[in-house]
Amino acid sequence: KQEVTQIPAALSVPEGENLVLNCSFTDSAIYNLQWFRQDPGKGLTSLLLIQSSQREQTSGRLNASLDKSSGRSTLYIAASQPGDSATYLCAVRGNTGFQKLVFGTGTRLLVSP
Amino acid sequence: GAGVSQSPRYKVAKRGQDVALRCDPISGHVSLFWYQQALGQGPEFLTYFQNEAQLDKSGLPSDRFFAERPEGSVSTLKIQRTQQEDSAVYLCASSLIAGGPLDTQYFGPGTRLTVL
Repeated sequence: KQEVTQIPAALSVPEGENLVLNCSFTDSAIYNLQWFRQDPGKGLTSLLLIQSSQREQTSGRLNASLDKSSGRSTLYIAASQPGDSATYLCAVRGNTGFQKLVFGTGTRLLVSP
Repeated sequence: GAGVSQSPRYKVAKRGQDVALRCDPISGHVSLFWYQQALGQGPEFLTYFQNEAQLDKSGLPSDRFFAERPEGSVSTLKIQRTQQEDSAVYLCASSLIAGGPLDTQYFGPGTRLTVL
């Protein structure tokens, strides 16, 4: 059974810092990996999707990497801003079965001005 | 266009009551998912529909949980005889096609269920 772990559970940084969020998964037979953002009282917003054959994806100040063989992904946020404060969730989709996502427990990020 | 919508946004139920949660997916989306998110946890898969067919219900925690999508559009998650452990946010997601490599799931805002 796929298990996804995210470290740290919470992170507080001053504005402007670069930061890294970590995600690890136990079964390397994945189809893709996604990073989501969740704001309080709102649904999930997809930030980046990395196919199993890819090593990284970039969108603006965000960069996500994937090392499938070691079961790890990182989300790098450059020059953090208070508006980045949210919970970040990592999710993997397996190679078999249908499209269900297996989520980590998330990293709660607070960026202070 | 409109995103995924869910109603009600908040629901308070007394233990033992039945509840029904509604999901309106993005128009034309083939796939529809339900997830349950307990406080401080990541979402956990409940069930999956492709059009009107329920292809995976392996995540439903008990036979008190029932989901349907009779016309391949709107879906309803029903919980019978609610219990306190059912308290969670129920998220609905839809995706355009079934199984494509770039098939992103779009999530609704969720229904927060509190069982007293």
